[in-house]
Amino acid sequence: DGGITQSPKYLFRKEGQNVTLSCEQNLNHDAMYWYRQDPGQGLRLIYYSQIVNDFQKGDIAEGYSVSREKKESFPLTVTSAQKNPTAFYLCASSRHKSMNTEAFFGQGTRLTVV
Amino acid sequence: EDQVTQSPEALRLQEGESSSLNCSYTVSGLRGLFWYRQDPGKGPEFLFTLYSAGEEKEKERLKATLTKKESFLHITAPKPEDSATYLCAATMDSNYQLIWGAGTKLIIKP
Repeated sequence: DGGITQSPKYLFRKEGQNVTLSCEQNLNHDAMYWYRQDPGQGLRLIYYSQIVNDFQKGDIAEGYSVSREKKESFPLTVTSAQKNPTAFYLCASSRHKSMNTEAFFGQGTRLTVV
Repeated sequence: EDQVTQSPEALRLQEGESSSLNCSYTVSGLRGLFWYRQDPGKGPEFLFTLYSAGEEKEKERLKATLTKKESFLHITAPKPEDSATYLCAATMDSNYQLIWGAGTKLIIKP
């Protein structure tokens, strides 16, 4: 079945630690996105990529980094510089480079600082 | 400032009790208005896209409508399985980025 797979489902981070969230898609989509979801707020864009080896910062990129070495993969690293990383992280993809098309989401990774 | 606001924050209905969710937007040049459904602990699932005022789309018990200032998600004779958070988002002419509302949590009691 085609879709987006995020792993792990739950992740715990210690203070000062970098962690990487995985996102893989087999939909052959060009564009991929990372969002952060906090209670009572809309989804906020962290990074997006419209093509392999290229990505752009979203609204809240500070403390995060990404790579896009393969079309299928768009991992997100939450660095120690992100002071409030506890949140639900969502990866998405879309067929076209514009955000004006339907997006397909993964099941999310819930990150907690311990 | 470009903004998408959803109301109410939460809505509790009895099974079979029809109602509407509101999504008002203030964006410069609406390009598209999207509705998604999100179940607890899962990623959003696409429902509809509306592109111009007056447009309507339907899927089972759901119907989405669009005016120049807002969109409504009408739910007719809802069932408990319709319980979820419904998200709306808008894209603008200027940069095609999605602006998301905070969502409406819908609870349907049997």
